[in-house]
Amino acid sequence: EAGVAQSPRYKIIEKRQSVAFWCNPISGHATLYWYQQILGQGPKLLIQFQNNGVVDDSQLPKDRFSAERLKGVDSTLKIQPAKLEDSAVYLCASSLKGEQFFGPGTRLTVL
Amino acid sequence: SQQGEEDPQALSIQEGENATMNCSYKTSINNLQWYRQNSGRGLVHLILIRSNEREKHSGRLRVTLDTSKKSSSLLITASRAADTASYFCATGVTYNTDKLIFGTGTRLQVFP
Repeated sequence: EAGVAQSPRYKIIEKRQSVAFWCNPISGHATLYWYQQILGQGPKLLIQFQNNGVVDDSQLPKDRFSAERLKGVDSTLKIQPAKLEDSAVYLCASSLKGEQFFGPGTRLTVL
Repeated sequence: SQQGEEDPQALSIQEGENATMNCSYKTSINNLQWYRQNSGRGLVHLILIRSNEREKHSGRLRVTLDTSKKSSSLLITASRAADTASYFCATGVTYNTDKLIFGTGTRLQVFP
């Protein structure tokens, strides 16, 4: 069974630039999550989708972050404009029966 | 915000020894899960314990849950160098059973 796919794996941008991350969940998993993990901390949930609807986006900085899951499968997370404090690993996960399966993450560096 | 706090923040042991990590959380939970993260395999689910369970085993892992104290512990027996990783507890909240709130993590180093 293929795992959660993410791209790119690494991204370096300058502050005020925009960036987008892509995620393809495990086939059949209706729930998809985006997390931000800052170095030395645990993952923090940014947004949770159930199919193509948003279940929880309470910690998503909506002035600069946006996410969509148009057909209930793939998802994109965008940051525009990026700030220095957005440097982190962005993890995508999908779940079935409570257990979450994580992708390898995208390491973002904002200079 | 992070719900759980792990203790200790870092732990170094020799192969063959047992490793115990503790997690404390703040609000009512539906379940508590432990995950492992290392550079090679990313973040991987280890074990899930429901709020009405007190202890669970999986191979060399033993998890306990005390909802009255809002705490959990993860015991890894007979540790191996391959167990070197960061370990996170994650709580499943009651108002959204699919949502997890992760703790701050324990960095475990197992020396051969």
